[in-house]
Amino acid sequence: QKEVEQDPGPLSVPEGAIVSLNCTYSNSAFQYFMWYRQYSRKGPELLMYTYSSGNKEDGRFTAQVDKSSKYISLFIRDSQPSDSATYLCAMRPGAAGNKLTFGGGTRVLVKP
Amino acid sequence: GAVVSQHPSRVICKSGTSVKIECRSLDFQATTMFWYRQFPKQSLMLMATSNEGSKATYEQGVEKDKFLINHASLTLSTLTVTSAHPEDSSFYICSAMGQGGERSGYTFGSGTRLTVV
Repeated sequence: QKEVEQDPGPLSVPEGAIVSLNCTYSNSAFQYFMWYRQYSRKGPELLMYTYSSGNKEDGRFTAQVDKSSKYISLFIRDSQPSDSATYLCAMRPGAAGNKLTFGGGTRVLVKP
Repeated sequence: GAVVSQHPSRVICKSGTSVKIECRSLDFQATTMFWYRQFPKQSLMLMATSNEGSKATYEQGVEKDKFLINHASLTLSTLTVTSAHPEDSSFYICSAMGQGGERSGYTFGSGTRLTVV
């Protein structure tokens, strides 16, 4: 079993819909959680960064972390065709180390 | 925000030659940089952690003598693929911990597509 599980998709939604992405993890030591967007043949771009449990909002993006359930989510409101990409969750422990553990990525297609 | 520049973006080399990939933090000092390899439609695979002024820490299964990492300054880390072979063809990406330290996200370079012919 992988440390971080993420549905590979593809997830296809119409333009304007809400995109809902999530990851589950097994390591209770994870404290820092990130979401990245990666376009084809490009490096990942940091979208959201959260520490411990809670919600964080930035523009059209909302990240949620539920450490008790070991479950994190990313919501994209008013999705646009330009949001079509692969979304990667990543996480790492606190003081114990700084290596990121990635989910496998979810491919998202926003259709005009 | 933090910017990481990676160069070259694409390189084609002959089998048996060496290729150097550079990763620079443009507006912050990065004491720690990471090198990843990514195969098509797969997630990132960490190859090594690079710390300024010390030897890199390689992940299990990554050949240290094949993938040479140098982190000589706080803004530059390099990955050299030595004696490259077609199976080394891949997408290589570097990242750096942000200037906020532990409470920062990690910024990635734009990646280097290596093709060995």
